[in-house]
Amino acid sequence: EVQLVESGGGLVQPGRSLTLSCVASGFPFEDFAMHWVRQAPGKGLEWVSGISWDSKNIDYGDSVKGRVSISRDNAKKSLYLQIYSLRVEDTALYYCVKEYGSGSFDHWGQGTLVTVSS
Amino acid sequence: DIQMTQSPSSLSASVGDRVTITCRTSQNINNYLNWYQQKPGEAPKLLIYAASNLQSGVPSRFSGSGSGTDFTLTVHSLQPEDIATYYCQQSFSGPRTFGQGTRVEI
Repeated sequence: EVQLVESGGGLVQPGRSLTLSCVASGFPFEDFAMHWVRQAPGKGLEWVSGISWDSKNIDYGDSVKGRVSISRDNAKKSLYLQIYSLRVEDTALYYCVKEYGSGSFDHWGQGTLVTVSS
Repeated sequence: DIQMTQSPSSLSASVGDRVTITCRTSQNINNYLNWYQQKPGEAPKLLIYAASNLQSGVPSRFSGSGSGTDFTLTVHSLQPEDIATYYCQQSFSGPRTFGQGTRVEI
């Protein structure tokens, strides 16, 4: 069974940094691209960042470009997202997501909540 | 970036109705269009990938069609458990943009 377990969320002051983690199991993590998708309270889905299986291809959403860094450790079956200079508008549930056929997302974690507030 | 226009933003239907949700993209994405279902308090679930391919385990009353810039998700006989918000998403290029979502109520 595929499992994606996020951690690292919490209450953070504006301007601070945070690192989110995701541990994967139940599939060959090293063979798949992975992504972060977020959802602000009561709002829709927003793609944040994606990374290829070998970390050679990385992309970021326009709203976070320059303030986030995605990385992965295939030996640890882990995905990371560092968010710098946090803003109130970064408040959201952050999902770790596995890529599937044609770039779709077939497995989602339960999310880790990031709340940015003073 | 590719823009997504999903409609309607919400709809109300009866059990057994046929429900159609549309998604239009700002440029040709071939068939790189996916559909997700999100129930309250849950993570999204993949329903359809590559415009018309039913994900394993998804009931056959769901279907997807379209190519290029215009796509459709159809629920052929709405069931109470289909109450959810539905999102389209393009995976053709650049940021993997999502539609704004369609809330389906009974």
